[in-house]
Amino acid sequence: ETGVTQSPTHLIKTRGQQVTLRCSSQSGHNTVSWYQQALGQGPQFIFQYYREEENGRGNFPPRFSGLQFPNYSSELNVNALELDDSALYLCASSLDVTSGELFFGEGSRLTVL
Amino acid sequence: AQSVAQPEDQVNVAEGNPLTVKCTYSVSGNPYLFWYVQYPNRGLQFLLKYITGDNLVKGSYGFEAEFNKSQTSFHLKKPSALVSDSALYFCAVRDIGSYIPTFGRGTSLIVHP
Repeated sequence: ETGVTQSPTHLIKTRGQQVTLRCSSQSGHNTVSWYQQALGQGPQFIFQYYREEENGRGNFPPRFSGLQFPNYSSELNVNALELDDSALYLCASSLDVTSGELFFGEGSRLTVL
Repeated sequence: AQSVAQPEDQVNVAEGNPLTVKCTYSVSGNPYLFWYVQYPNRGLQFLLKYITGDNLVKGSYGFEAEFNKSQTSFHLKKPSALVSDSALYFCAVRDIGSYIPTFGRGTSLIVHP
């Protein structure tokens, strides 16, 4: 059974650029959630995808967007990067949308200069 | 609305002593409650959850948590701490009508040899 994998693990961008982060969900899981974790903070919910449809969104601006593919892998796209976007971005998959337990990847650490 | 509070930024305990990491929550209905652990530069790992039933929940690595409805608390406990338990611990809550958990800010547990 393959766990949740994220890529890239680290990246550096400059203000105004765009970034795409990728996530492969755990085998058999159809729900993917994305979280932003700033230094010293808890994970903040960005959005959730269930069977390729957005199923909920946190308090993030529209420049944060996402996709879920037929194989349930997912992408997080952030446009017009700002310095405050520097954070660890975590992807979590779950068996389905009602499952309580989240399985997290190790995250993509984004630094915006 | 759902929220969770972890009142301690840091908990220090000597190896072999019991540990408690505190969590209180607020939901409009019945809660689903979770504890996750995060080691440095890693994603979060699920420890345990309370959905319904016995108020004392046992989880991974010898951890347990006690659900107290009257005090709206879900404190994490372990009878005998190990140095390897040193990590960040996150409490999360989900209202029974929601599919999205809210995470606390985290508590840094430091176990001294």
